[in-house]
Amino acid sequence: GENVEQHPSTLSVQEGDSAVIKCTYSDSASNYFPWYKQELGKGPQLIIDIRSNVGEKKDQRIAVTLNKTAKHFSLHITETQPEDSAVYFCAAVDTGRRALTFGSGTRLQVQP
Amino acid sequence: NAGVTQTPKFQVLKTGQSMTLQCAQDMNHEYMSWYRQDPGMGLRLIHYSVGAGITDQGEVPNGYNVSRSTTEDFPLRLLSAAPSQTSVYFCASSYSASGETQYFGPGTRLLVL
Repeated sequence: GENVEQHPSTLSVQEGDSAVIKCTYSDSASNYFPWYKQELGKGPQLIIDIRSNVGEKKDQRIAVTLNKTAKHFSLHITETQPEDSAVYFCAAVDTGRRALTFGSGTRLQVQP
Repeated sequence: NAGVTQTPKFQVLKTGQSMTLQCAQDMNHEYMSWYRQDPGMGLRLIHYSVGAGITDQGEVPNGYNVSRSTTEDFPLRLLSAAPSQTSVYFCASSYSASGETQYFGPGTRLLVL
């Protein structure tokens, strides 16, 4: 089955700096890669996703890049704000198997 | 739209007891799923469904049963609770039958003593 590894497990940045979270996946059949943000006591919230036929996608301060050859994808947050503090999860989906496999999460702390 | 709702928010069980975690969505999504979240392990898929009457196992299905009699509801049953099932349980739904773009509920925190 699919295995998704996520790094780092914790990340502390100063407000206004950029944050980068990296994930690798093992199954070359995976073709959809969402990122979720989870605030304390809440369910995960989809913030951005990318499909395997796209190399990069941006949405305001958030961007995701995908390298299919190397089987890794990354989340980039620019101009971080205190409200960006949360746990972020990457995931990979083999849409043929309809199964979402999550990374272990990154706790991002944005220091004011 | 209420989105994905889950009840109860918190439950304490004794070992061997049974219970049902409720999940409902009002978005007419065909795909629904259950995950458990344990510290340091991310979320793991328990069971999923691509429509009424259709269910399938995920990564960690043992000890859990599901059924899907309507599009809206997807309950998760613990037949005989064990301490290893102490976790936070999340239900999710998607308009895509392939499991893309899943929307999550607020979760149920379960403690098994």
